[in-house]
Amino acid sequence: DAKTTQPNSMESNEEEPVHLPCNHSTISGTDYIHWYRQLPSQGPEYVIHGLTSNVNNRMASLAIAEDRKSSTLILHRATLRDAAVYYCILRQYRGGKLIFGQGTELSVKP
Amino acid sequence: NAGVTQTPKFQVLKTGQSMTLQCAQDMNHEYMSWYRQDPGMGLRLIHYSVGAGITDQGEVPNGYNVSRSTTEDFPLRLLSAAPSQTSVYFCASSFGQGGILYFGPGTRLTVT
Repeated sequence: DAKTTQPNSMESNEEEPVHLPCNHSTISGTDYIHWYRQLPSQGPEYVIHGLTSNVNNRMASLAIAEDRKSSTLILHRATLRDAAVYYCILRQYRGGKLIFGQGTELSVKP
Repeated sequence: NAGVTQTPKFQVLKTGQSMTLQCAQDMNHEYMSWYRQDPGMGLRLIHYSVGAGITDQGEVPNGYNVSRSTTEDFPLRLLSAAPSQTSVYFCASSFGQGGILYFGPGTRLTVT
């Protein structure tokens, strides 16, 4: 199973952009890159996902490297509510296990 | 839609007792899975299912059984509870095997 590597923690100031990196050097051609976040005492929630092209939605943007071996989740203006653990995972199109790594704990300073 | 529901929200068991954690989804999702999350840790996959009648093991399957007799339900059975199974358990489902994963609210289990 392809694995992802993320920094354990990152800090940001409120209303500044945040770039959360993820390395996935063993990604296969059919793996989707998914990002989830988990707020304290809650279950994980979906943020964004993509295959090859950069993606935007109302929560965030996902920038995917041309060789797909890394990606970056971009929060354009961090708020205190964005403080959470962010997980980057690879989702096989044809099913199978969905393994979570340790994630990046993002703290946001006012 | 209720989404993914889990019952109970909280449970205390004595060592050796058995119980079933319930998970149901009303979104006609093919894929369902169970994770456990220990304090300060990430999620670890216990078992998963890609459709009714099909289940497979995840990273930490020992001590747990699952079955998938319907699309909607995916119960997790603890055969003989141990203190090491004290954790928060999350059920998740997705439409199609590559789709967005939807999580339930979790069941907090304590085994004494």
